[in-house]
Amino acid sequence: QVQLVQSGAEVKKPGASVKVSCKASGYTFSNYDINWVRQATGQGLEWMGWMNPYSGNTGYAQTFQGRVTMTKNTSISTAYMELSGLRSEDTAVYYCAKYGDYKYSLDVWGQGTTVTVSS
Amino acid sequence: IQLTQSPSSLSASVGDRVTITCRASQGISSFLAWYQQKPGKAPKLLIYAASTLQRGVPSRFSGSGSGTDFTLTISSLQPEDFATYYCQQLESYPHTFGQGTKLEIQ
Repeated sequence: QVQLVQSGAEVKKPGASVKVSCKASGYTFSNYDINWVRQATGQGLEWMGWMNPYSGNTGYAQTFQGRVTMTKNTSISTAYMELSGLRSEDTAVYYCAKYGDYKYSLDVWGQGTTVTVSS
Repeated sequence: IQLTQSPSSLSASVGDRVTITCRASQGISSFLAWYQQKPGKAPKLLIYAASTLQRGVPSRFSGSGSGTDFTLTISSLQPEDFATYYCQQLESYPHTFGQGTKLEIQ
């Protein structure tokens, strides 16, 4: 079945970087863009950006411009999201999700990766 | 594009019919999706293209609307439906979400 499996929880110090992985299976990885969404504890969903696994093209929300980098390794069907300059406000669960057909939705989501930023 | 959901929270009973609305700050055609999220879990897609039911989602869920005004309706609440619901627009970047509607047991 179509699945996205993310890497495990991370604890980072302020100013550090974190890189979260998202491994796809059950479909052709290069055919659907991967989006990243985060959710702080008790808060709503915040869209971060997208990456095209075929071309490597990306688009980021202005909030994260200059701090986020989305990349891929097509040979292992894995997408990555790296966030730098971490601050306490970046403590959240980070999700990857793939577009559904015609980009009308995010139809399959990873299980989430908790990133804690603490000194 | 900003999405405003109402209400922010809602108390209802099993068997009730409930409606959640999502209003966009500008027209988004039918590029709207609805998700259900339970505590500690990833969001789950319910409705896409404003009114198309995702495979495997019970038919008590339905969506309607286009342009700026959208609704999610649950025709007869079941115990497993108590969760938080989000709308999302995919018409343009950034793909913003509504602030969420928490549906609680009355």
